[in-house]
Amino acid sequence: AQTVTQSQPEMSVQEAETVTLSCTYDTSENNYYLFWYKQPPSRQMILVIRQEAYKQQNATENRFSVNFQKAAKSFSLKISDSQLGDTAMYFCAFMKQGGANSKLTFGKGITLSVRP
Amino acid sequence: DTGVSQNPRHKITKRGQNVTFRCDPISEHNRLYWYRQTLGQGPEFLTYFQNEAQLEKSRLLSDRFSAERPKGSFSTLEIQRTEQGDSAMYLCASSLASRGETQYFGPGTRLLVL
Repeated sequence: AQTVTQSQPEMSVQEAETVTLSCTYDTSENNYYLFWYKQPPSRQMILVIRQEAYKQQNATENRFSVNFQKAAKSFSLKISDSQLGDTAMYFCAFMKQGGANSKLTFGKGITLSVRP
Repeated sequence: DTGVSQNPRHKITKRGQNVTFRCDPISEHNRLYWYRQTLGQGPEFLTYFQNEAQLEKSRLLSDRFSAERPKGSFSTLEIQRTEQGDSAMYLCASSLASRGETQYFGPGTRLLVL
């Protein structure tokens, strides 16, 4: 079974600054995907970024980038130039690649507050 | 592409009543998932369908819970004899297996059992 751990329950960052959210996971699988999802106070879960485990290059989406360390089973999210709209809960999630089992396993999430 | 929709958005019911939620996935998506999220926690997997076939059910899904996807399009999740512990947000997500498995979520149905 897979587990995802987000050990920081809350973080705060000043607008325009950079913040890094941590995530570690445990799996015996070699092929998988990792995701960061954002859930704003309105509660709809939105995909932020996705990483395929076979890719060595870290994924980037505009102000969002990841630091994927496969050997260490670490998957952190860096948010640059933080904006007030980034205030939300952020969830790290794991999915095994291939086969019939495509469920997401989520961490407990981290509440990020961006201060004006 | 109108996204994943869920109805109702909110449901208040009395303990012991039955409730049914509906999820309409993104139209071309062949996989549909149900998750449950309690306050301050990450979503937990309940069940998923590929087309009309229910391929996996979590141990969280007691025999009071049943899900269907009769024509491989929309899905319903029914909870019979609701209990206060069923109070949660029920999330639906869909994906297209051939497009790398990214799941897109609906807004959820918030259930409160009194």
